[in-house]
Amino acid sequence: GAVVSQHPSWVICKSGTSVKIECRSLDFQATTMFWYRQFPKQSLMLMATSNEGSKATYEQGVEKDKFLINHASLTLSTLTVTSAHPEDSSFYICSAWGTGNADTQYFGPGTRLTVL
Amino acid sequence: AQRVTQPEKLLSVFKGAPVELKCNYSYSGSPELFWYVQYSRQRLQLLLRHISRESIKGFTADLNKGETSFHLKKPFAQEEDSAMYYCALNPGGYQKVTFGTGTKLQVIP
Repeated sequence: GAVVSQHPSWVICKSGTSVKIECRSLDFQATTMFWYRQFPKQSLMLMATSNEGSKATYEQGVEKDKFLINHASLTLSTLTVTSAHPEDSSFYICSAWGTGNADTQYFGPGTRLTVL
Repeated sequence: AQRVTQPEKLLSVFKGAPVELKCNYSYSGSPELFWYVQYSRQRLQLLLRHISRESIKGFTADLNKGETSFHLKKPFAQEEDSAMYYCALNPGGYQKVTFGTGTKLQVIP
């Protein structure tokens, strides 16, 4: 089946620095990808919808200047957490609709971000 | 706006006992409903979807439009079923999916 990968799988950074997380669709093209945030023992909260070649659509309450999303190709979307703070520490997950199987979302393994 | 409700945070059952994970939704149209599962230290993966009307790993789920429910059932729980289960709703097409808060299923040996 389709595979979505994320890099890095975990990252630790200092407050005030920026961190970039990559999401790739390995064997299919994805015009739309989604970025979620998952707090411990809680559900996935959608942060934004990443659209290839256009601006991302952010959910209410998500700061677009803090969480920069770039979807430059049909297989890559990046999420950059700018000026990270400890409260940004979380598990970030991306997903994509497979164009070969339109009604299934495929999820990446997630990236654990820890901000010191 | 769509909403998905999973009333139980934790469901503990003994091995061999029946399992029912509850899911209710609210949406004005005709959505697609899914169940996703997340095993320990693994990524979220699709378990089943209502349009397929299939049984995966012994689990089934029937969409009840009258009660706006999509409960997940299995007649005999197995230890390997222990995981987090999320009910999800897709309004249709390539749109964003709304997840419930999840239910942790714990199967006691």
